[in-house]
Amino acid sequence: EIVLTQSPGTLSLSPGERATLSCRASPSVSSTYLAWYQQKPGQAPRLLIYGASSRATGIPDRFSGSGSGTDFTLTISRLEPEDFAVYYCQQYDSSPPYTFGQGTKLEIK
Amino acid sequence: QVQLQESGPGLVKPSETLSLTCTVSGGSISSYYWSWIRQPPGKGLEWIGYIYYTGSTNYNPSLKSRVTISRDTSKNQFSLKLNSVTAADTAVYYCARIEAARRYFEYWGQGTLVTVSS
Repeated sequence: EIVLTQSPGTLSLSPGERATLSCRASPSVSSTYLAWYQQKPGQAPRLLIYGASSRATGIPDRFSGSGSGTDFTLTISRLEPEDFAVYYCQQYDSSPPYTFGQGTKLEIK
Repeated sequence: QVQLQESGPGLVKPSETLSLTCTVSGGSISSYYWSWIRQPPGKGLEWIGYIYYTGSTNYNPSLKSRVTISRDTSKNQFSLKLNSVTAADTAVYYCARIEAARRYFEYWGQGTLVTVSS
C-alpha cells in the first residue's frame, strides 16, 4: 500500500504570502496519478491539480504543482482569503487503488 | 456539466446495513468509473470502492468484506451498501466520478452525513 504523508499538518500564513505544501509518498508514485484537492468546511473536495502539475479547469494560476517519485509539492504563489482551507493529496496505484494524505490545514495567521 | 447527488437514510442502527444511492445527471454512467469516498467527522478522506461502466468493481481491502457497489443504468444511478455497521462508519459519504486516464476524482456529490447510532 502506498502511504501519503502531508506536511505540515497546519500552516499559518497571511494573505499575500506564498504557501508551500508537501506530500511525500512511500513507496514512490507515478506523477501521472498524483492529484491535489481543496476542501472548505461543509463542502466536498474540489480538484485543483492532476498529473502532479496540471491545473484543473477553472483553477487560478496562483496554484501550481510539482514533483515526482516520492516528493510532491503544491504551491500557492500569493494567498487570497478564499484559499484558506484543507488540502489533500491523492494517488492512484494498484492495491488499494486510491489513498489520500491526511491533509494540511492552511489557516489565516 | 456532470452533477452527482447522494441520497439515503441519515441514521442507521449498529449491525444494520447502510444503503446510499448516487444519482448522476448531465452524463451517463455507462462510461467512466464511479466511486464512493467517506470522511468521518473532523478526519480525512477514505476511498471505499468504485464500479466501472462494465459492472466490474474494486473495493478498499479494509472494507471489502462488508461493501457492495452496484449500478442501475436505467436510472443512471449507482449505489453503496455497507453491512454490519458500527459507530466507526459514521461519516459524510461522497459519490464521485473518476477521470479514466489520470484516475483522479473529477466530479463530486455534495456529500451526505450518515450517523450510526441506536
